[in-house]
Amino acid sequence: ETGVTQTPRHLVMGMTNKKSLKCEQHLGHNAMYWYKQSAKKPLELMFVYNFKEQTENNSVPSRFSPECPNSSHLFLHLHTLQPEDSALYLCASSQAGRSAFFGQGTRLTVV
Amino acid sequence: GQQLNQSPQSMFIQEGEDVSMNCTSSSIFNTWLWYKQDPGEGPVLLIALYKAGELTSNGRLTAQFGITRKDSFLNISASIPSDVGIYFCAGQSEYRGAQKLVFGQGTRLTINP
Repeated sequence: ETGVTQTPRHLVMGMTNKKSLKCEQHLGHNAMYWYKQSAKKPLELMFVYNFKEQTENNSVPSRFSPECPNSSHLFLHLHTLQPEDSALYLCASSQAGRSAFFGQGTRLTVV
Repeated sequence: GQQLNQSPQSMFIQEGEDVSMNCTSSSIFNTWLWYKQDPGEGPVLLIALYKAGELTSNGRLTAQFGITRKDSFLNISASIPSDVGIYFCAGQSEYRGAQKLVFGQGTRLTINP
């Protein structure tokens, strides 16, 4: 248990569906992140939020829409995804100057 | 973009053997991290290195932050079955109050009992 909780753990969605991934951290951290982990590729940073403000969008397609209502919660809204978007989506959080802690991830399959 | 080269990509060893893996980068990082990931789980932090030249241990694990700040290694001594998994190095840099991580490709460790 790292203190970062992601739901759901598994998600299967059609290309025309809209779904959301949720991440919650109870560590009092100021920054939260979304990473994507595809087979045979290194973990890729998608978005960074610091004190609810987005500080980084790593050229992510607009079909992925993040939302950070407060420093403890982070969402990733998904719509009209493609099969190649199937991956493990990982949320992480950190305190300034310290290392990041990851959630268990959401295994997403787009059919 | 920044890239880390992690090697080896995979290792097949006997239980009780020592393991060594390393990461190199063309960029300087202020922090090096080593994570382990089990199947279906997120990466779990093993060791964090915050100072160039630093050598840090966590039980049977030892990691060093290279003096040039462009490399790091991780050693595991006397491997046991629960060491099986994928090990990732990550270079961390500070950006607007948050930490950006660049990950290596991972080292998959398999242990024969």
